[in-house]
Amino acid sequence: NAGVTQTPKFQVLKTGQSMTLQCAQDMNHNSMYWYRQDPGMGLRLIYYSASEGTTDKGEVPNGYNVSRLNKREFSLRLESAAPSQTSVYFCASSRGQGTDTQYFGPGTRLTVL
Amino acid sequence: TQLLEQSPQFLSIQEGENLTVYCNSSSVFSSLQWYRQEPGEGPVLLVTVVTGGEVKKLKRLTFQFGDARKDSSLHITAAQPGDTGLYLCAGATDSSYKLIFGSGTRLLVRP
Repeated sequence: NAGVTQTPKFQVLKTGQSMTLQCAQDMNHNSMYWYRQDPGMGLRLIYYSASEGTTDKGEVPNGYNVSRLNKREFSLRLESAAPSQTSVYFCASSRGQGTDTQYFGPGTRLTVL
Repeated sequence: TQLLEQSPQFLSIQEGENLTVYCNSSSVFSSLQWYRQEPGEGPVLLVTVVTGGEVKKLKRLTFQFGDARKDSSLHITAAQPGDTGLYLCAGATDSSYKLIFGSGTRLLVRP
């Protein structure tokens, strides 16, 4: 089992460009999450999907959109990238509610110039 | 808004020393999770504590959940260089799919 995979691993964008971060899990988990991690700020939830077909905003959703493509895949889209979106992005999945263990992918390091 | 504050933010110690990391909140959580993250990787779960006053041990690591379920601590005995990393606490509530993460404690254990 690969667990949670993310692509790409690194990306550099210019301000205003768009891109989609891909995430897939092979653990048959119901819930999936997107976080961003900035120095000294821990992990902040961007969006989550409690189950296939549903998505909800997290703590910092502005400037992002998500798609739960199927049970395995959850993508994060930046429509018009801004320097403030420079960060490391992590995808995670869990069997169910927040009390369940979350399994994290290796992260995508994004730089917006 | 639920917040988790971790202290200290950074800790540099010599191999063999003991240390304690704290995770505090004014909110009640149904469970508290501790993760460790190494450079270039995602966080990995160390332990989940769910009962007020609960103590769990994982080799040289001891985790405690406060009686009121608002705080937690991680104690490492005889730290080793392999313990180096970012330690994150995260609180969960039964009614939510969200985890609230603390800002993390970066630990450096010098040989």
